[in-house]
Amino acid sequence: EVQLVETGGSLVQPGKSLKLTCATSGFTFSNAWMHWVRQSPEKQLEWVAQIKAKSNNYATYYAESVKGRFTISRDDSKSSVYLQMNSLKEEDTAIYYCTTWAFDYWGQGVMVTVSS
Amino acid sequence: DIVMTQTPLSLSVAIGQSASISCKSSQSLKYSDGKTYLNWVFQSPGQSPKRLIYQVSKLDSGVPDRFSGTGSETDFTLKISRVEAEDLGVYYCCQGSYSPRTFGGGTKLELK
Repeated sequence: EVQLVETGGSLVQPGKSLKLTCATSGFTFSNAWMHWVRQSPEKQLEWVAQIKAKSNNYATYYAESVKGRFTISRDDSKSSVYLQMNSLKEEDTAIYYCTTWAFDYWGQGVMVTVSS
Repeated sequence: DIVMTQTPLSLSVAIGQSASISCKSSQSLKYSDGKTYLNWVFQSPGQSPKRLIYQVSKLDSGVPDRFSGTGSETDFTLKISRVEAEDLGVYYCCQGSYSPRTFGGGTKLELK
């Protein structure tokens, strides 16, 4: 059974940093391309970042809204993908989901609230 | 970026009736490999999204055949025949053909 479990969500002040973790199981993680997708309080889904596999040199891609502030990474030995979020803004407040490349599997999501 | 436009914003249906949701993309979603990476994702209240349909019309495992997806290029439709209570929630289309991936604004399916 495929499982994706996100952790690391929290309430943080603007300008601070936070790191999310997505631990996976049930599929060959090392070959998988992974995304982070977020859902705003208004329920709009927004793609955030993608990381490809080792065979693709771990290429990464970012939404313009987070480029330069967020970093996606992975540890194939732990079947995990991460999202390092720096210089957080109030508009980053959302539920953050990790998903597989074709959006076929989603985690349960983790809440990130950016507020003073 | 490709803009995905869904209509209607909300849809009220009675159990047993059919429902239809439209999704239009700002440019063709047909990729260079000949495939069209248009997905339909469903989110029931309090749950994480779940993919129902991929590549326009292919049903994910366990999805009832009451669901069907049609369309090509820029115009796509999700149809639900004989709506059941478990179908109530929000439906999103999303494209996986080009970066950045983009989602429609969602259509809320409610009980009449």
